[in-house]
Amino acid sequence: GENVEQHPSTLSVQEGDSAVIKCTYSDSASNYFPWYKQELGKGPQLIIDIRSNVGEKKDQRIAVTLNKTAKHFSLHITETQPEDSAVYFCAAFKNTGTASKLTFGTGTRLQVTL
Amino acid sequence: DTAVSQTPKYLVTQMGNDKSIKCEQNLGHDTMYWYKQDSKKFLKIMFSYNNKELIINETVPNRFSPKSPDKAHLNLHINSLELGDSAVYFCASSQDGNNSPLHFGNGTRLTVT
Repeated sequence: GENVEQHPSTLSVQEGDSAVIKCTYSDSASNYFPWYKQELGKGPQLIIDIRSNVGEKKDQRIAVTLNKTAKHFSLHITETQPEDSAVYFCAAFKNTGTASKLTFGTGTRLQVTL
Repeated sequence: DTAVSQTPKYLVTQMGNDKSIKCEQNLGHDTMYWYKQDSKKFLKIMFSYNNKELIINETVPNRFSPKSPDKAHLNLHINSLELGDSAVYFCASSQDGNNSPLHFGNGTRLTVT
């Protein structure tokens, strides 16, 4: 099955700096890679996603890059703000017909300090 | 309106009891899921239903029985609760289960004492 590794597990940055979270996946058949943000006491919320036919996608301060050959994808947050503090999850989706499923990384706790 | 709502938010119970968690989505999605998040925040899929049909059962003990009366609801019943069942359980839905985004509820924190 698919295995998604995520690094780092914790990340502390100063407000205004950039944050980068990296993930690798094992199954080359995976074709959809969403990123989720989970705030305390809430469910994960989709913040950006990328499909395997695209190398990069940007939405305001967040961007995601995908290297299909190396099976790497990364989340970049620029000009971080205190409200960016949360746990971030990457995930990889593999379509296998009826049993398609999303496999999550182990999460990165991002702390943005003033 | 909350898109994916699950109740209760907190559930504290003793070992051996039977409990249920309810989930409803008003997004018109065809696929619903249950995920378990352990104390280390790891998210693992338990079940997936598409239009009331079970699609994925990820080697979950048969003490856990999902029930989908219609495609907008996916409830989770747990028999003979054990200490190790303590976790946060998330319900989610997606349009069609085919690389479409998942929408999560806010979770049910289950504590078994």
